[in-house]
Amino acid sequence: NAGVMQNPRHLVRRRGQEARLRCSPMKGHSHVYWYRQLPEEGLKFMVYLQKENIIDESGMPKERFSAEFPKEGPSILRIQQVVRGDSAAYFCASSSDRNSPLHFGNGTRLTVT
Amino acid sequence: GENVEQHPSTLSVQEGDSAVIKCTYSDSASNYFPWYKQELGKGPQLIIDIRSNVGEKKDQRIAVTLNKTAKHFSLHITETQPEDSAVYFCAASKGANNLFFGTGTRLTVIP
Repeated sequence: NAGVMQNPRHLVRRRGQEARLRCSPMKGHSHVYWYRQLPEEGLKFMVYLQKENIIDESGMPKERFSAEFPKEGPSILRIQQVVRGDSAAYFCASSSDRNSPLHFGNGTRLTVT
Repeated sequence: GENVEQHPSTLSVQEGDSAVIKCTYSDSASNYFPWYKQELGKGPQLIIDIRSNVGEKKDQRIAVTLNKTAKHFSLHITETQPEDSAVYFCAASKGANNLFFGTGTRLTVIP
């Protein structure tokens, strides 16, 4: 029973490049959430998606960030033209419905040089 | 929006002793309160959760209490073991999806 799978585990990008983070939810889960964690801080909500729909993107920066969860394949968090302040751990979580507990993956650690 | 405060930020206990971590929340409409354990280099792992229609919940050495009137909830770990050492996060939400996390407590259990 695979859990939430995120890849890559570590990603290094130069300023101005694009970062793509992938997340495959647990089997049977159709709700996906993205959170960001800065060093020594708690997780901050970014976006909540169901298959092909964005349900809540209230935590997403207005520019450069986008997320999708297509009918087939993993959810993708895309960060365009990365800046040093984007360096963080990005965690994906999934649930079976909107009232069920969230299960997190092991994250992607993004470093912008 | 919701604001969750967590104390203490660090906690050291002797093996076998109890550990207590406390959180307060601001939005009286929040009704779901999970606790997560995060080990180095890993994602948060759900260890216990409680909903607002319940005052206390236990699972072996772990218990959570909720005081809706005072808007605070606590995690209790009894008979601590070295493998309990980790960072613990509380969270609050309406429903279960948009979680607002506390800033974490680094628990160290000294053998």
